[in-house]
Amino acid sequence: QLQLVQSGAEVKKPGASVKVSCKASGYSFRSYGISWVRQAPGQGLEWMGWISAFNGNTNYAQKFQGRVTMTTDTSTSTVYMELRRLRSDDTATYFCARGATPADAFDYWGQGTLVSVSS
Amino acid sequence: SYELTQPPSVSVSPGQTARITCSGNKLGNKYTYWYQQKPGQSPVLVVYQDVKRPSGIPERFSGSTSGNTATLTISGTQAMDEADFYCQAWDRNTVLFGGGTKLTVL
Repeated sequence: QLQLVQSGAEVKKPGASVKVSCKASGYSFRSYGISWVRQAPGQGLEWMGWISAFNGNTNYAQKFQGRVTMTTDTSTSTVYMELRRLRSDDTATYFCARGATPADAFDYWGQGTLVSVSS
Repeated sequence: SYELTQPPSVSVSPGQTARITCSGNKLGNKYTYWYQQKPGQSPVLVVYQDVKRPSGIPERFSGSTSGNTATLTISGTQAMDEADFYCQAWDRNTVLFGGGTKLTVL
């Protein structure tokens, strides 16, 4: 069955970087893209950006430009999201979600990865 | 910048109809998507392209749009429908989410 399985929780210090993975299975990986959406504790959803699994093209939210990098590994059907220069307000659960384009619905979601940033 | 506005909370009695709105400038000219999120879980798509329902989503969930407002309607609301609901749209190369609405089934 279709699944997006994310890597485990992370604890980081301010200024560090984090790289979260999202392994896809059960569908044609290169036919879709993956968006990353985060949710701070008790808060709403925030879109970070999207990457095409077909050609690696990216579309980052302006807020994260210069601080986020999304990549794909088609050999393992895995998408990565790296966020640099972490701050305490980056503490959130990070979700990957499948979408054919960034303008399309997110029809399948990963289980989420909690990233905690604290000194 | 473009914003989507949702009421923070909506309450409904079991068996009644719940309506959750999402407002944005010329939202009717864009596709609206709706997600349900229960505590500790990932969001689930319940309506896409304004009015379509993914397979596996109960028929009691429906979407509509008019002018600047999109509406998610839950007919015959059940206790299991209690959750946070988010609308989503695409504007100027950016995905936007509404602030979310907590649906309470009293």
